[in-house]
Amino acid sequence: EVQLVESGGGLVQPGASLKLSCVASGFTFSDYWMSWVRQTPGKTMEWIGDIKYDGSYTNYAPSLKNRFTISRDNAKSTLYLQMSNVRSEDTATYYCTRAEWLSPFDYWGQGVMVTVSS
Amino acid sequence: DIQMTQSPPSLSASLGDKVTITCQASQNINKYIAWYQQKPGKAPRLLIRYTSTLESGTPSRFSGSGSGRDYSFSISNVESEDIASYYCLQYVNLRTFGGGTKLELK
Repeated sequence: EVQLVESGGGLVQPGASLKLSCVASGFTFSDYWMSWVRQTPGKTMEWIGDIKYDGSYTNYAPSLKNRFTISRDNAKSTLYLQMSNVRSEDTATYYCTRAEWLSPFDYWGQGVMVTVSS
Repeated sequence: DIQMTQSPPSLSASLGDKVTITCQASQNINKYIAWYQQKPGKAPRLLIRYTSTLESGTPSRFSGSGSGRDYSFSISNVESEDIASYYCLQYVNLRTFGGGTKLELK
């Protein structure tokens, strides 16, 4: 059974940094592109970016490219999202997702909440 | 980047009705559109990929169609378990979601 389990969320102050993790199981992690998606409290869904199966290439949503960094550790079957200089508009539930090249997200984690507030 | 305009934002239906949601892309997406269902407190669930291909476990009352920039998603004979929010996603060039449609019971 495919499982994606995110962690690392919580309350963070504006301007701070935060790193989310996603541990994958039930499939060969190193065979798949992986993505992060977030959903705002207003229910808007936003793709953040993705990373190639070997970690050699990343894509980002243009609006987030400069502050967010996606990485992975295939030996640990873990996906990461490094968030820097966070803003109140980064308050959202963050999902780890799996997707092949030219495929939609087929599996999602349960999500982790990030609240940016002073 | 590609924008996805989804309508309507909300929809009210009676059990047994047919409902249709549309998504218009800002450019041709060559049928690379998927549709998701999301219930409160849950992650989205993939229902349809590549415009009209139903995922395993997706009931046949769900369907999708379209081409070029214009796509639609329908539920025939709405059931109580279909009350949820629905999102389209283009995945031909990076990824972009539509704004979502909340389906409620009339």
